[in-house]
Amino acid sequence: QKEVEQDPGPLSVPEGAIVSLNCTYSNSAFQYFMWYRQYSRKGPELLMYTYSSGNKEDGRFTAQVDKSSKYISLFIRDSQPSDSATYLCAPTDRGSTLGRLYFGRGTQLTVWP
Amino acid sequence: DVKVTQSSRYLVKRTGEKVFLECVQDMDHENMFWYRQDPGLGLRLIYFSYDVKMKEKGDIPEGYSVSREKKERFSLILESASTNQTSMYLCASSLFLGGGMNTEAFFGQGTRLTVV
Repeated sequence: QKEVEQDPGPLSVPEGAIVSLNCTYSNSAFQYFMWYRQYSRKGPELLMYTYSSGNKEDGRFTAQVDKSSKYISLFIRDSQPSDSATYLCAPTDRGSTLGRLYFGRGTQLTVWP
Repeated sequence: DVKVTQSSRYLVKRTGEKVFLECVQDMDHENMFWYRQDPGLGLRLIYFSYDVKMKEKGDIPEGYSVSREKKERFSLILESASTNQTSMYLCASSLFLGGGMNTEAFFGQGTRLTVV
């Protein structure tokens, strides 16, 4: 079983829709949960991260972690065409002194006007 | 701003050639990583390094080696390129904060390598 499972999509939604992106993971030691966004022909960039269980909101984006079910979510409200990208979840554990991230396969999102 | 620079955006090499992919970061980061990204498979870790001359195998090190002679530079070497190594290669770096903590990884733009 892979450390992190993520449905690759593709996901296509109209502008203004609420988007839900999800990952599951297997390693109970994961404590930091990052979301990276990757535009076409670019390297990934950190979008936001959460620590342990709970929610974190940043503008139109909300990251949610449920450690009891090992489930990670990213919600995008009022989605815009500029949100069209691949979204990668990447958890890591505090004990990883080498900064190792475990990436999901990424979900390709298209928001059409 | 942190900058991670990969020497080439696009590269075409022949089967059997020795290939060098170079990565330089300008923020004095301890940790550096090489990933490859393939459709449907996501990012897979090839090698990483947490200090000069130190290296650790990732999940798919076969057919690759690395070199880190200076802190800012991390090179990925394909000893004898094969067609199944055609991929997007991404370099990343992160800062070790101490106490088991690191900053997030900062990525370069990627090198799209085609082996023919």
